[in-house]
This record gives sequence, structure tokens and C-alpha cells, in this order.
Amino acid sequence: GAGVSQSPSNKVTEKGKDVELRCDPISGHTALYWYRQSLGQGLEFLIYFQGNSAPDKSGLPSDRFSAERTGGSVSTLTIQRTQQEDSAVYLCASSREAKNIQYFGAGTRLSVL
Amino acid sequence: KNQVEQSPQSLIILEGKNCTLQCNYTVSPFSNLRWYKQDTGRGPVSLTIMTFSENTKSNGRYTATLDADTKQSSLHITASQLSDSASYICVVSADSWGKLQFGAGTQVVVTP
Repeated sequence: GAGVSQSPSNKVTEKGKDVELRCDPISGHTALYWYRQSLGQGLEFLIYFQGNSAPDKSGLPSDRFSAERTGGSVSTLTIQRTQQEDSAVYLCASSREAKNIQYFGAGTRLSVL
Repeated sequence: KNQVEQSPQSLIILEGKNCTLQCNYTVSPFSNLRWYKQDTGRGPVSLTIMTFSENTKSNGRYTATLDADTKQSSLHITASQLSDSASYICVVSADSWGKLQFGAGTQVVVTP
């Protein structure tokens, strides 16, 4: 596709439920990143993929958060047993290689009630 | 403590006027500094990227400066337009793989 695509664009869930967020990076981009943006806050790094492996997942806030990437392309961020503090916009970005310019998707706005 | 500090937090300017946004960072070692523009409800879009040896970089009406000695950067917007209303985010790359450290952004509102 022309850009980074994320789905769904909005997700409302109940506390305790699991959610899956999807990211389709730009074709040919080997590096993929997940960030979280809370209201009025800067972007918070979650995890970095190079191909299908994650050399840096130091930003995942708890073991309820996990992510995977398959085929060097699509990535899924899973949040188990969601909590209200998980409410935020989750942004995905990709770049041709690490250190190159990152192109961002529009994000998934997650609301946990 | 955030390693990338931006000021002001927000500002309102009249269409056609200029403005300058500031960024101070403590990230080390330094690889490069980027400015992103984020429209409401959209993902950030890259405006400029500067390495240690670059002092200034322009992209249309946007001009970024970098002083790597004092660890300061600025983004100057010339002849502002209504479409410049957005959050401007200063981002510093330091880690070996290019891990980014984000400032909280400056919210710019351009009024007619």
C-alpha cells in the first residue's frame, strides 16, 4: 500500500477483555515500530521489529502486552486483560531500515471502559 | 525525566506571522534530530532530519536549526498558514538501532 495502515481506527472495549491491534507497514520496509500516545503526552516507545524478530521490546509496559510480526510484514499488538490506563492511541511506524525515516500510520484509538 | 524538552507547550499565532519552537535534549550519544508534524487524529509526518554535522535544514517554510554543542534545536515557521495548525514534535535518535526519544510536542494554532 501507499502508507502504513492500521486497523481498527477506533476500538472500545470493556475492562478485562483482550484486544488485537493490526499494522500493515509500507511494502519493503524491514523495520517496524509500535508506540503509544496518551492524551497530552509524547509518544512512548513500545517495541521494535527488524524482520520478524524484536531486538528491542523494552518499552512494553507489562506482560499483558505482546506483539508479533509475521512474514516480515504485518504486525499485531495484543493487550490482554485490558485496564483503563491502557486507553491511548497506539501508533505503528515502519522504515526501510532501522535509523531511516519512520513513516507513521494514523493510529488505533483504544478506549477501555 | 524526559530527555527531550520542548517549549512552549502551545502557542497561537496570526496567519502570515512567523514563529519559532524550541527543543532541548539530553539524549546521549546523539545520532540525529528530527522534527515531525502531527495533525489532529493523524500520525506524525517527518519534516526535517539533521545529523551531528548539520546546523540547519529547510523544508519549504519550515527551517530547523541544530546546535549539537548546547544540545538545542529550533523549528522556525515562516509566513504561517492555517494548515500549519498542528502539534510539532522534536525527536532525538540515539540508540544503536535508531531508537527515538520524543518530546511532548508544541501545539500550534494559526488563526485568521
